[in-house]
Amino acid sequence: DAKTTQPPSMDCAEGRAANLPCNHSTISGNEYVYWYRQIHSQGPQYIIHGLKNNETNEMASLIITEDRKSSTLILPHATLRDTAVYYCIVRVAYGSGNTGKLIFGQGTTLQVKP
Amino acid sequence: DAGVIQSPRHEVTEMGQEVTLRCKPISGHDYLFWYRQTMMRGLELLIYFNNNVPIDDSGMPEDRFSAKMPNASFSTLKIQPSEPRDSAVYFCASSLSDRAYNEQFFGPGTRLTVL
Repeated sequence: DAKTTQPPSMDCAEGRAANLPCNHSTISGNEYVYWYRQIHSQGPQYIIHGLKNNETNEMASLIITEDRKSSTLILPHATLRDTAVYYCIVRVAYGSGNTGKLIFGQGTTLQVKP
Repeated sequence: DAGVIQSPRHEVTEMGQEVTLRCKPISGHDYLFWYRQTMMRGLELLIYFNNNVPIDDSGMPEDRFSAKMPNASFSTLKIQPSEPRDSAVYFCASSLSDRAYNEQFFGPGTRLTVL
């Protein structure tokens, strides 16, 4: 699986957009980019995923560069409840000889400040 | 749906004792995963099952750890004998493979302390 690189920590002001970068320069053509987050003392929570196109859901937006070597997770209006560790993961899809395994790195600790 | 259910939520035991952690996946999900999280090592995948069959147990730290999934709605992770270095938060997660992407649903975790 492609390795990802994320900054260890970031700060964001409440109400502002939080932009979390992720580098995955060795990503393969059949690998998806996933984002999960883990709020303190809770289990990780799925946020969003993408393959090539930009994606948006009720939680966030995912911007993937054209060469797919990096991506950015955007929380448009960060709140204090968005303070968490954010994990960027790349993994092949089910049915591609893959077994659904996700490998979590160290992630980015996002601190949203009042 | 109640989500992934884990029990107990907290477990304190003494070194050498047997510990059993339990997990009920989301109904209909065909994959089940066991993870361990510590400050030093982060979130590690221990083992996972597909349709109740263990697929990859390469993350199980040693023979003291074992996991079973006797049916689609129940799994256990057992540590025997337990050691202080096993202290961690253990998460169970489940997912459905009918789509191409992975969306794993995690339980609240079991915080294990071995004295």
